[in-house]
Amino acid sequence: QSVLTQPPSVSGAPGQRVTISCTGSSSNIGAGYDVHWYQQLPGTAPKLLIYGNSNRPSGVPDRFSGSKSGTSASLAITGLQAEDEADYYCQSYDSSLSGSVFGGGTQLTVL
Amino acid sequence: QVQLVQSGAEVKKPGASVKVSCKASGYTFTGYYMHWVRQAPGQGLEWMGWINPNSGGTNYAQKFQGRVTMTRDTSISTAYMELSRLRSDDTAVYYCASSGRYCSGGSCYFPFDYWGQGTLVTVSS
Repeated sequence: QSVLTQPPSVSGAPGQRVTISCTGSSSNIGAGYDVHWYQQLPGTAPKLLIYGNSNRPSGVPDRFSGSKSGTSASLAITGLQAEDEADYYCQSYDSSLSGSVFGGGTQLTVL
Repeated sequence: QVQLVQSGAEVKKPGASVKVSCKASGYTFTGYYMHWVRQAPGQGLEWMGWINPNSGGTNYAQKFQGRVTMTRDTSISTAYMELSRLRSDDTAVYYCASSGRYCSGGSCYFPFDYWGQGTLVTVSS
């Protein structure tokens, strides 16, 4: 059981918008710790997608956006493309565990 | 360009130990923490801990305390993760990941920005 909860799967048609939620608690996201998002294509290492809740590293398309409110965070992907089909993970810090924690991951299927 | 190159796949018997290396290049090795993350087959990411390559200080996830040891050799810009008393459920791909400093809007963050290619460790009798 992951400390951060994500839906196991989401799907959308090309061009559509999808969102992936990441729900935490008062010891992690709710305590003000930042959330980062990673994209993992099949058979590859994760790639940083969003850092500090809503910031995109250089090279990440602006179709990807992040937000955080209360004990949750969200990743939104607009203009869905076939190449977006991947697993997505949120990550934060947990004060009770004194370490980083990941969400269980969400598999995005582009229909 | 930044690269993290890990050692090759390992097959170990239950009860044995494994040591995975992660050689960094393209940046100042001692300037950024190195984290270790593992991923069991078909499962999600699991954070194991970090090492400060500058001081050698470490912080391990509670789950792995007593079984994991993270070290580094600054002369060759390489970090190591050793896991002992291996069990079958330790079968996973082990990644090293550096945490760079990113600043935006007056705040700075330390996400895992560069990852190694992963090392598959198989524990089987």
